[in-house]
Amino acid sequence: QVTLKESGPVLVKPTETLTLTCTVSGFSLSNARMGVSWIRQPPGKALEWLAHIFSNDEKSYSTSLKSRLTISKDTSKSQVVLTMTNMDPVDTATYYCARQRLATFDYWGQGTLVTVSS
Amino acid sequence: AIQLTQSPSSLSASVGDRVTITCRASQGISSALAWYQQKPGKAPKLLIYDASSLESGVPSRFSGSGSGTDFTLTISSLQPEDFATYYCQQFNNYLFTFGPGTKVDIK
Repeated sequence: QVTLKESGPVLVKPTETLTLTCTVSGFSLSNARMGVSWIRQPPGKALEWLAHIFSNDEKSYSTSLKSRLTISKDTSKSQVVLTMTNMDPVDTATYYCARQRLATFDYWGQGTLVTVSS
Repeated sequence: AIQLTQSPSSLSASVGDRVTITCRASQGISSALAWYQQKPGKAPKLLIYDASSLESGVPSRFSGSGSGTDFTLTISSLQPEDFATYYCQQFNNYLFTFGPGTKVDIK
């Protein structure tokens, strides 16, 4: 059974750095053709893809947010970590991690709401 | 990066209606397009991958078509549980993009 679960702070202050962890089970982060992405959704708005880490450890980032994002993984812990620097109230959103299968996301975590406020 | 647009942005329909949603890519993406359904407070659910392949467990009233830049999601006979927001998503050159979504509500 494949599951993904996001964890991290529910509240961060402006200018702080956000660190989110996605813990996966039911598959290995070293499986070929699979990877994990982070995707966010501000309240009432559309999904926005943020970052991805492939099975071979190659990484890709949203063009508009690239300078603020870092994605990494610890295969032994089955975890994928996203850091986002210089948080702003507009970054308030539900943050999801999702498993990539070829060109799609076939399993998603439940999401974690992060609020940015002083 | 490739941009996706969806039309309409919202629609009202009745149970039993045939519903069609369009997704257009700013550049050709072959068939690397997926469709998701999202209900309030829930994570998106994969419906269609590779433009026209039905994900396991998804009802056959959902279908997808298209290639290149123009894609369509069709619900052949809308059911009460289908009222939701639908997103398209593409993968090209190691980057992913979602469309802005189409909200389907009850007429």
